[in-house]
Amino acid sequence: ETGVTQSPTHLIKTRGQQVTLRCSSQSGHNTVSWYQQALGQGPQFIFQYYREEENGRGNFPPRFSGLQFPNYSSELNVNALELDDSALYLCASRQASSTDTQYFGPGTRLTVL
Amino acid sequence: ILNVEQSPQSLHVQEGDSTNFTCSFPSSNFYALHWYRWETAKSPEALFVMTLNGDEKKKGRISATLNTKEGYSYLYIKGSQPEDSATYLCASVPYNQGGKLIFGQGTELSVKP
Repeated sequence: ETGVTQSPTHLIKTRGQQVTLRCSSQSGHNTVSWYQQALGQGPQFIFQYYREEENGRGNFPPRFSGLQFPNYSSELNVNALELDDSALYLCASRQASSTDTQYFGPGTRLTVL
Repeated sequence: ILNVEQSPQSLHVQEGDSTNFTCSFPSSNFYALHWYRWETAKSPEALFVMTLNGDEKKKGRISATLNTKEGYSYLYIKGSQPEDSATYLCASVPYNQGGKLIFGQGTELSVKP
């Protein structure tokens, strides 16, 4: 196991609702990234947090937002859910170096009806 | 090459066969390449992080090579076993983008006993 946990495992929401996904990073890791994996595609980078500040963002609209807490755990918030937001959401933690291994959680499966 | 591409998309082999997959990535602005092994319902498992042209890494029966000048990496599995069945993902890390991973769509390997 990677030591990275995510909750909940599965979630069903309806269009227009808001959702919060949670990630607990591996001990000693201060950087957390979030990825979205749609069916049949590789994971796509949403954003990254380093020491509680967002320091990188992919091609996702502002209704995707996040937080990182002093213990380096993180949340991903999605407002005004759309059907296309249905996907597996993965978080990954690492130490600060860009070449460090990134350790992934098992993901949260979000279904938007 | 503008994106990270993996081939083949899927592969079916017999136990004992050796196999290899290809990952192609943009050679300009290259910083690092990651390989992951991902079994269904589990967290992606980090296999290798490679940075230098000509790098070769090995972990048990799995090895990988890297050519940063032409923008490709090969993953080899010697004597495939049923437990090697998984999706193998590669991800490129561009220079100066904070360590974000740009994933290929993966190669799904199935090893029959």
